[in-house]
Amino acid sequence: QEQLVQSGGGVVEPGRSLRVSCVASGFNLRNFDMHWVRQAPGEGLEWVAVISYDGYNKYYTESVQGRFTISRDNSRNTLYLQMNDLRPEDTAVYYCAKIKNEWLRLLDSWGQGSVVTVPS
Amino acid sequence: DTQMTQSPSSLSASIGDRVTITCRASRDISNYLAWYQQKPGKVPKLLIYSASTLQSGVPSRFSGSGSWTDFTLTISSLQPEDVATYYCQKYDTAPYTFGQGTKLEIK
Repeated sequence: QEQLVQSGGGVVEPGRSLRVSCVASGFNLRNFDMHWVRQAPGEGLEWVAVISYDGYNKYYTESVQGRFTISRDNSRNTLYLQMNDLRPEDTAVYYCAKIKNEWLRLLDSWGQGSVVTVPS
Repeated sequence: DTQMTQSPSSLSASIGDRVTITCRASRDISNYLAWYQQKPGKVPKLLIYSASTLQSGVPSRFSGSGSWTDFTLTISSLQPEDVATYYCQKYDTAPYTFGQGTKLEIK
């Protein structure tokens, strides 16, 4: 049974940093590209970032470029999102998600979500 | 970047109704289109990928169609458990943009 278990959310002051983690079980993380998706309160889903299976290729949505860093430790089956210079508009539930396979890069398994709050 | 536009933003339908949600891409994305269902307070769930392929375990009343820029999600006979917000997503290249969502309620 594939499972993604997240940790690391919380309340953080504007301008500060926070890291959320996502541990995979039931599958080998090293075989899959991984994504972060967020959802602000009462809003829709927003794609945030993707990292290739080997960690070499990374892409970000424009609003987090230069502030957020996606990374992975395949030896620990763990995905990370380092968030720096946080802003109130970054307040959201953050989800990690895996792709179905290398030919179908849609998101077929999701973490439970991590709540990140940046008060204004 | 390719924009994804869903319509309507919300709709209300009766049990047993046929429901259709549309998703339009601002550029050709072939069939690299997925649909997700998110029930209130829950994690999104994959329903359909490659525009028309049903994910394993998803009820057959759900179906998808379309290609290039225009896509539809259809529920053939609406059930109470289908109350949710539905999102389309392109997955051809980054950024992997979602539509803004369609909130489905029971009339």
